[in-house]
Amino acid sequence: EAQVTQNPRYLITVTGKKLTVTCSQNMNHEYMSWYRQDPGLGLRQIYYSMNVEVTDKGDVPEGYKVSRKEKRNFPLILESPSPNQTSLYFCASSNRGGKNTEAFFGQGTRLTVV
Amino acid sequence: DQQVKQNSPSLSVQEGRISILNCDYTNSMFDYFLWYKKYPAEGPTFLISISSIKDKNEDGRFTVFLNKSAKHLSLHIVPSQPGDSAVYFCAAFRTSGTYKYIFGTGTRLKVLA
Repeated sequence: EAQVTQNPRYLITVTGKKLTVTCSQNMNHEYMSWYRQDPGLGLRQIYYSMNVEVTDKGDVPEGYKVSRKEKRNFPLILESPSPNQTSLYFCASSNRGGKNTEAFFGQGTRLTVV
Repeated sequence: DQQVKQNSPSLSVQEGRISILNCDYTNSMFDYFLWYKKYPAEGPTFLISISSIKDKNEDGRFTVFLNKSAKHLSLHIVPSQPGDSAVYFCAAFRTSGTYKYIFGTGTRLKVLA
């Protein structure tokens, strides 16, 4: 089954404690990205990757890091989380260009930073 | 700078009637536009897309219209069903350059039985 898997689904952490949210896709997609969803602001892109070892900043990259060492995995790293990073996070993957451009999303990670 | 805008945060429609969700964009270089549906506690799921070289695409009860001169697209759902109640996001991207997916802020549709 084609899917994007994020872990964990829920996470409560304290300010400053490093954390990683994992994302894995099984569709051999080149393009992967991370979004955060906040009330009234929709989905805002944090980082994206067009292929292995190729990453770039989205619209709200401050306080986040990513890596793309393998095609299937795209972890999101918060080195020193702060309360303003409390949000709902989604990972997505898609093919680049052409007809098959739809993005597949994970089920989301609800992060609370206290 | 919000390149993709959904100006209506919410919409209520009676079951069986037409739902029309609107989206405006500012960048004329977008190649594809897509609509996603999102239920609570789930990730967004793809609904329908349209290439910038077309003005209409239909899939069952869902039709997307693109007006390039007005930089406007709309999603029509006919007939609306209670199961269509969800948040709808429009999205746009370019296949060249930085290839960024850009989403609107979403419209919450409520279909009343």
